[in-house]
Amino acid sequence: QSALTQPPSASGSPGQSVTISCTGTSSDVGDYNFVSWYQQHPGKAPKLMIFEVSKRPSGVPDRFSGSKSGNTASLTVSGLQAEDEADYYCSSYAGSNNLVFGGGTKLTVL
Amino acid sequence: EVQLVESGGGLVQPGRSLRLTCAASGFSFDDYAMYWVRQAPGKGLDWVSGISWNSANIGYADSVKGRFTISRDNAKNSLYLQMNSLRTEDTALYYCAKGSDGYSYDLDYWGQGTLVTVSS
Repeated sequence: QSALTQPPSASGSPGQSVTISCTGTSSDVGDYNFVSWYQQHPGKAPKLMIFEVSKRPSGVPDRFSGSKSGNTASLTVSGLQAEDEADYYCSSYAGSNNLVFGGGTKLTVL
Repeated sequence: EVQLVESGGGLVQPGRSLRLTCAASGFSFDDYAMYWVRQAPGKGLDWVSGISWNSANIGYADSVKGRFTISRDNAKNSLYLQMNSLRTEDTALYYCAKGSDGYSYDLDYWGQGTLVTVSS
């Protein structure tokens, strides 16, 4: 159960696009289409932004999109807005009723 | 409105036990998987345990296996986490979270957390 690998930080200017990667292994990200992404603002509970690799829950702006290639999943935020500044975490099913999270990426809107 | 309210956290000495409770409302509790996720101060999210709607499927992180036990009482709309042999590294904010269906692996609602501090 090793944590998924995310870059510690990412940044972009308002209106730009930014992509955050999430690298796992053939036992988690590479083997299952159960990758989720969560947004967490300081002092708040996490919020589900993407599930099953690329699906958006109701109410999440379509500026947020997800994809996967091999053992790496990605979250893209298009048309960056100030309120997108937050920590982002990926997670993946890892078999045998186990989940694993990434270490988190701090997104800064410049 | 979905509500998840955690309770039972506090200050406890290493080696002691604590039981967390998550009271759920606003949805059909017995239809959904439930999870515990923790976050140490200033650190990232750490999955602890999950349980399917009927308790048939249960999983634990290696770091808590053999020490923590997850359970649920669908009649009481409640989720529990029995934590034994607590260690200083278990210090964290413990979140209760709801799965998006009975066996799902995405967590669509989260509580505000209960703080567990393990210290002598």
